Amino acid sequence: DAGVIQSPRHEVTEMGQEVTLRCKPISGHDYLFWYRQTMMRGLELLIYFNNNVPIDDSGMPEDRFSAKMPNASFSTLKIQPSEPRDSAVYFCASSGPGQGNYGYTFGSGTRLTVV
Amino acid sequence: AQSVTQLDSHVSVSEGTPVLLRCNYSSSYSPSLFWYVQHPNKGLQLLLKYTSAATLVKGINGFEAEFKKSETSFHLTKPSAHMSDAAEYFCVADTGGFKTIFGAGTRLFVKA
Repeated sequence: DAGVIQSPRHEVTEMGQEVTLRCKPISGHDYLFWYRQTMMRGLELLIYFNNNVPIDDSGMPEDRFSAKMPNASFSTLKIQPSEPRDSAVYFCASSGPGQGNYGYTFGSGTRLTVV
Repeated sequence: AQSVTQLDSHVSVSEGTPVLLRCNYSSSYSPSLFWYVQHPNKGLQLLLKYTSAATLVKGINGFEAEFKKSETSFHLTKPSAHMSDAAEYFCVADTGGFKTIFGAGTRLFVKA
């Protein structure tokens, strides 16, 4: 398995633009997580899905952020409009199958810079 | 409230000497505990996990951790550091239902 695949690896965009981050989880994993990592706040859980259904989105900062998982092999995190304070590394992780937490497999992340 | 405290923000060791990264957790019941490693510009990689089986857990790359309930600790150790171990290490607790709490991280420096 190629692991969790995220794209793009780097994204530089201007304030106000729409940004879409993509993630392909490990085949057979039924949980998918989106995290944001910054120096100031460390790792923050934004949202997670189980069997493509959003379970907890309480970490999504505001309405500018949205996430979807249309099928078991693909998820997107969208920011519209983007702001400089959204600059961070965004990680996707997957886990499973099943309810127990046996550890997550993380992607390599997308480094987002909003100028 | 549940919390994870990594007692050192930075640890520096010489190559070939032992590594000790300290982690304490606070929880009303025994959580599942994990250590992850993050190399520069990479995602987090699972090193080892404790899920209420053996209290001494062996992981990848020669790392191990011991769960001590009486001390609410889950310290990470390695007998002999290698240059490639230089990275940031995260202690993580899961209190159930994917309520995952990350520690702030410990950056390990390895001197030649």
